[in-house]
Amino acid sequence: QVQLVESGGGVVQPGRSLRLSCVASGFTFSTYGMHWVRQAPGKGLEWVAIISSDGSDKYYGDSVKGRFTISRDNSKNTLYLQMNSLRVEDTAVYYCAKDDGYSYCMVLWGQGSTVTVSS
Amino acid sequence: QLVLTQSPSASASLGASVKLTCTLSSGHSNYAVAWHQQQPEKGPRYLMKVNIDGSHIKGDGIPDRFSASSSGAERYLTISSLQSEDEADYYCQTWGTGIQVFGGGTKLTVL
Repeated sequence: QVQLVESGGGVVQPGRSLRLSCVASGFTFSTYGMHWVRQAPGKGLEWVAIISSDGSDKYYGDSVKGRFTISRDNSKNTLYLQMNSLRVEDTAVYYCAKDDGYSYCMVLWGQGSTVTVSS
Repeated sequence: QLVLTQSPSASASLGASVKLTCTLSSGHSNYAVAWHQQQPEKGPRYLMKVNIDGSHIKGDGIPDRFSASSSGAERYLTISSLQSEDEADYYCQTWGTGIQVFGGGTKLTVL
């Protein structure tokens, strides 16, 4: 079954760190670019980061640049998002998504992992 | 600057059709766009990608009631024979090297 399953969310204090994971199954993970997208409560979708299939290219949204790091382990079919210096405004559901393999079009989404940043 | 504009809301009656619009910013009218559906309390679901010529590639299992088209800088999602489960938020998305952009989303109400 083709799917993405996120984990690692939780409640964390401002300034602390958290790492999200996204395990892929049912497709050849190493041949697809992967994304992180978030959605704050009651808001729309916001792109966070993208990583190329081999991990050599990484790009970030302006709101997380310098604080978040996207990475992947193709041997474990797993995508990561290391989140440092967390802020209250980082509170959101975080989704991982797979692209179509030849553009950056997101064609498969995970179910999401909730991150709450609160003191 | 690459921006996508969507109307915040739309409504249509059960069994009718509705056409949602996503407008690309000036200078970006040749970009492809993807449409995603987000039902209440659920994660997003990829519907289809639509190119400048209106050709589109659907996701697995997307009903024939969903179609897409294109005109200039506008990309459309048409849903026919509306069903109650079509009541959802619909987002368009586009991309360039190193950047991804989402529209603000359209909340579709099925009357």
